[in-house]
Amino acid sequence: DADVTQTPRNRITKTGKRIMLECSQTKGHDRMYWYRQDPGLGLRLIYYSFDVKDINKGEISDGYSVSRQAQAKFSLSLESAIPNQTALYFCATSASGREQFFGPGTRLTVL
Amino acid sequence: TQLLEQSPQFLSIQEGENLTVYCNSSSVFSSLQWYRQEPGEGPVLLVTVVTGGEVKKLKRLTFQFGDARKDSSLHITAAQPGDTGLYLCAARGSARQLTFGSGTQLTVLP
Repeated sequence: DADVTQTPRNRITKTGKRIMLECSQTKGHDRMYWYRQDPGLGLRLIYYSFDVKDINKGEISDGYSVSRQAQAKFSLSLESAIPNQTALYFCATSASGREQFFGPGTRLTVL
Repeated sequence: TQLLEQSPQFLSIQEGENLTVYCNSSSVFSSLQWYRQEPGEGPVLLVTVVTGGEVKKLKRLTFQFGDARKDSSLHITAAQPGDTGLYLCAARGSARQLTFGSGTQLTVLP
């Protein structure tokens, strides 16, 4: 079984809809991250959390919110999706801030 | 924001050729990582370098961290189709997070 899982794997939605992407991990790591990936721009950090009570904005947090429901779960919400949020979204975890372990990604399309 | 520039952005070569990709910045980093990402998957860590001038080898892959800890290179010897993927460098500066480069998309043709 995968250590870091993301649901859904693919999602198509319309402008203005609320969307939640979920991430679960069985690695027992404290640190969790959400990134978006766009062609030619690499991975950009949206939010990160170092424990359940520690939530931090990343480079591109506008238009997004997160919830750390438990050590193993970190969800990303788009309150009102817009087309330029069409991207590949990755969740990642780490134990010590060194190696990050990534989920398989969620491909989100906003029409 | 610390910026990492990777070059080239795209590289297409024949099986058996050698290649080098680069990761450069004007900032000094405490450590630098290289990841490889295959289609439909998340990035996977290949190596971490922490000391200026450090060289690490992983089979046919050789990684070097610049003496001033501002740049790094990845050299692949005798590339194989299985080396195809997106190669990302990522660096940690003073912040509690990694900054990723935009990546080099490598295609190795059989």
